[in-house]
Amino acid sequence: EAQVTQNPRYLITVTGKKLTVTCSQNMNHEYMSWYRQDPGLGLRQIYYSMNVEVTDKGDVPEGYKVSRKEKRNFPLILESPSPNQTSLYFCASSEKAPSPLHFGNGTRLTVT
Amino acid sequence: SQQGEEDPQALSIQEGENATMNCSYKTSINNLQWYRQNSGRGLVHLILIRSNEREKHSGRLRVTLDTSKKSSSLLITASRAADTASYFCATVPNSGGYQKVTFGIGTKLQVIP
Repeated sequence: EAQVTQNPRYLITVTGKKLTVTCSQNMNHEYMSWYRQDPGLGLRQIYYSMNVEVTDKGDVPEGYKVSRKEKRNFPLILESPSPNQTSLYFCASSEKAPSPLHFGNGTRLTVT
Repeated sequence: SQQGEEDPQALSIQEGENATMNCSYKTSINNLQWYRQNSGRGLVHLILIRSNEREKHSGRLRVTLDTSKKSSSLLITASRAADTASYFCATVPNSGGYQKVTFGIGTKLQVIP
């Protein structure tokens, strides 16, 4: 089944403790992207990747890192999480921009 | 920055009625896409309309695009309780930055049985 898989689904952590949210797609898609969703703000793009080893900042990249060493994986790294990064995070992929996006089921992160 | 802005932000209708949601945007686009999100879940792509298209249909969905007014509308005909969800428009810019898909805040639709 074609899908985008995010893990974990829920994560509660404390300020400053490094964490990684994994994202994997099995559709051989070139384009991958991370979004955060907050009430009243919609989805905002954090980082995106056009292909392996090609990443770029979205609208809200501060406090986040990404890497794209393999085509299928696009992890999101929070080196030192802060409470304002509490949010619902989505990974998405598409065959190539600007094709429709396939979304993962989300990771709800709480930073205390 | 929020490129697409949906209107209304919330909509409540009776089952069987039609639901219309609007999206306005600011810059030139390559295409505009509509997505649906069930509560807290990932978004699901519904329909894509290119900048040179004016109308597109998919089942009970009808999307229009007016590039002169920089607006789009999504019509769901004969709504069902299962259509209850949030609906988002997403714009893909035309000027070399087409990789930056930008979403609006969404319209929350409630269909009452």
